Amino acid sequence: AQSVTQPDIHITVSEGASLELRCNYSYGATPYLFWYVQSPGQGLQLLLKYFSGDTLVQGIKGFEAEFKRSQSSFNLRKPSVHWSDAAEYFCAGTSGTYKYIFGTGTRLKVLA
Amino acid sequence: GAVVSQHPSRVICKSGTSVKIECRSLDFQATTMFWYRQFPKQSLMLMATSNEGSKATYEQGVEKDKFLINHASLTLSTLTVTSAHPEDSSFYICSARALETYEQYFGPGTRLTVT
Repeated sequence: AQSVTQPDIHITVSEGASLELRCNYSYGATPYLFWYVQSPGQGLQLLLKYFSGDTLVQGIKGFEAEFKRSQSSFNLRKPSVHWSDAAEYFCAGTSGTYKYIFGTGTRLKVLA
Repeated sequence: GAVVSQHPSRVICKSGTSVKIECRSLDFQATTMFWYRQFPKQSLMLMATSNEGSKATYEQGVEKDKFLINHASLTLSTLTVTSAHPEDSSFYICSARALETYEQYFGPGTRLTVT
């Protein structure tokens, strides 16, 4: 069955530290993959997406993600976290049905 | 481009009444629209998929008679929560997909509170 997994429910980092949020997928074929951020009470904001081509994808707010087929992963990274990055992060994938499968989300806390 | 709006952003209704939420694609034609429900501190749960001019396809466990979805035009879909009860209180998010794309564009969400 198709799935998107975010192994970490909560992550806490200090401001200025680097960040990596994990996302693993299980699809028959290579899916289209997305990372979204959601602040409390708000909608989803797209950070970046992978359709094909270069496996290192640059997004907004200084985020990047790397697609690794061999590891079925699409991890999100940021070299230096800012306090305003505290939010919920969702990884999502889609394939032939156009439906998105969302991961369970990772809540990021940033320590001053 | 690719903006999706939802109205209202917040709504409070009394138990037993119905409430309608609108989802509009403002600058593109939405072949398919999706409705999600999100409980506090949880991920998005797909409720249904609607294609313009067709009946919506509901996910398993979603009551189609309680959550009425209409997709009458390529820019508008509506979700009506009928005979709402407190357990229907939630954050409802719509998204829209244009023809020949896989990407969904999300609305800002509607907070429904049933008292």
